[in-house]
Amino acid sequence: AQKVTQAQTEISVVEKEDVTLDCVYETRDTTYYLFWYKQPPSGELVFLIRRNSFDEQNEISGRYSWNFQKSTSSFNFTITASQVVDSAVYFCALSEASGFNKFYFGSGTKLNVKP
Amino acid sequence: EAGVAQSPRYKIIEKRQSVAFWCNPISGHATLYWYQQILGQGPKLLIQFQNNGVVDDSQLPKDRFSAERLKGVDSTLKIQPAKLEDSAVYLCASSHPSGPGPYEQYFGPGTRLTVT
Repeated sequence: AQKVTQAQTEISVVEKEDVTLDCVYETRDTTYYLFWYKQPPSGELVFLIRRNSFDEQNEISGRYSWNFQKSTSSFNFTITASQVVDSAVYFCALSEASGFNKFYFGSGTKLNVKP
Repeated sequence: EAGVAQSPRYKIIEKRQSVAFWCNPISGHATLYWYQQILGQGPKLLIQFQNNGVVDDSQLPKDRFSAERLKGVDSTLKIQPAKLEDSAVYLCASSHPSGPGPYEQYFGPGTRLTVT
């Protein structure tokens, strides 16, 4: 069974629009971590955020915000006032505390921000 | 602080040939990972090292893939013989415990392999 689902394969928005990338996860562990990574066209995955299962507080970092809801097993990522430089593939990942830091990545959402 | 280094960046080989990739993790990072990323998919873990020991190699096709991490620092991943379906980007990542984990992984630029 897939542990991380990113149902949106590709999203296109116009610059300055807000956009939300969805992430749904599945685990039986009570202790786990969720991550978001950005993969620009250059190819290198860039770490964005880590959130543990005991902290449901939403987080904001500049134009980025994350909404973690255990009740729906979701960890969604919103970019406010999108910019062309936000164009990339975004990956959500799950790591279970029992799993020696093994990551399960979703299939990614490609975001195209048009000027 | 230097990031994860990988070489080569690109490699083109014919099927049934062999190829090797090299990775040098961030200094002090005990855990090293090799991932395979097929176009349009998320990274898939091939093998994970903790220092120079293997933690997880359950998805490594051991009939053709091998990896080692001598002295617990840099690592090599080898494919012999290569198949067409091995065409992918091979990513190396490292992580360092610094409190309650799991911990974020830091990725290198990857090696894009094309098998013809």
